[in-house]
Amino acid sequence: SQTIHQWPATLVQPVGSPLSLECTVEGTSNPNLYWYRQAAGRGLQLLFYSVGIGQISSEVPQNLSASRPQDRQFILSSKKLLLSDSGFYLCAWSDPTGDRGLEQYFGPGTRLTVT
Amino acid sequence: RKEVEQDPGPFNVPEGATVAFNCTYSNSASQSFFWYRQDCRKEPKLLMSVYSSGNEDGRFTAQLNRASQYISLLIRDSKLSDSATYLCVVTGSYNTDKLIFGTGTRLQVFP
Repeated sequence: SQTIHQWPATLVQPVGSPLSLECTVEGTSNPNLYWYRQAAGRGLQLLFYSVGIGQISSEVPQNLSASRPQDRQFILSSKKLLLSDSGFYLCAWSDPTGDRGLEQYFGPGTRLTVT
Repeated sequence: RKEVEQDPGPFNVPEGATVAFNCTYSNSASQSFFWYRQDCRKEPKLLMSVYSSGNEDGRFTAQLNRASQYISLLIRDSKLSDSATYLCVVTGSYNTDKLIFGTGTRLQVFP
């Protein structure tokens, strides 16, 4: 069965510090991968998605970036955090080859507080 | 107008009650629809996909009305463990692998 991991679970960082969040998926190959952010009391906002190694699409302009160095690894980064980057960061995967290719499955998330 | 709109609730219902949530979407070209469940401070989990003909999974029934552009979720015989936020999700029209999430309807089931 497929599993998705994210770490760290929680993070408190000062403004201006760098960020690196990691997501890995097990039990599947060539997944589509997604980064979302959920701000307090708000819906999920798609930040990035990837259909393959090195292929990243950005949904909103921001000071975040994403990379996919391996098939099942997705990394979210920032060089300098802003207060507005606080939120719940969720990684998700989907299987584009199956008949349920649009269903997305989420990792446990990282709760980021920028102080 | 928001792409996906839901009544935020909360819906407070006793155990054993039947409760229904509606969700409206703005893009008539959306093709796929889902309900996700999110517990407090946890990740969303797929509850069920919503098919054109409607579908049922145990105590949960989902319906789609394309003409009126709304989706419903019916929960029968509510359990305490059903307490959560229910997210309505639709696909965008220009790139169907992107999901658009509603902000959710909160359900609280009490004893």
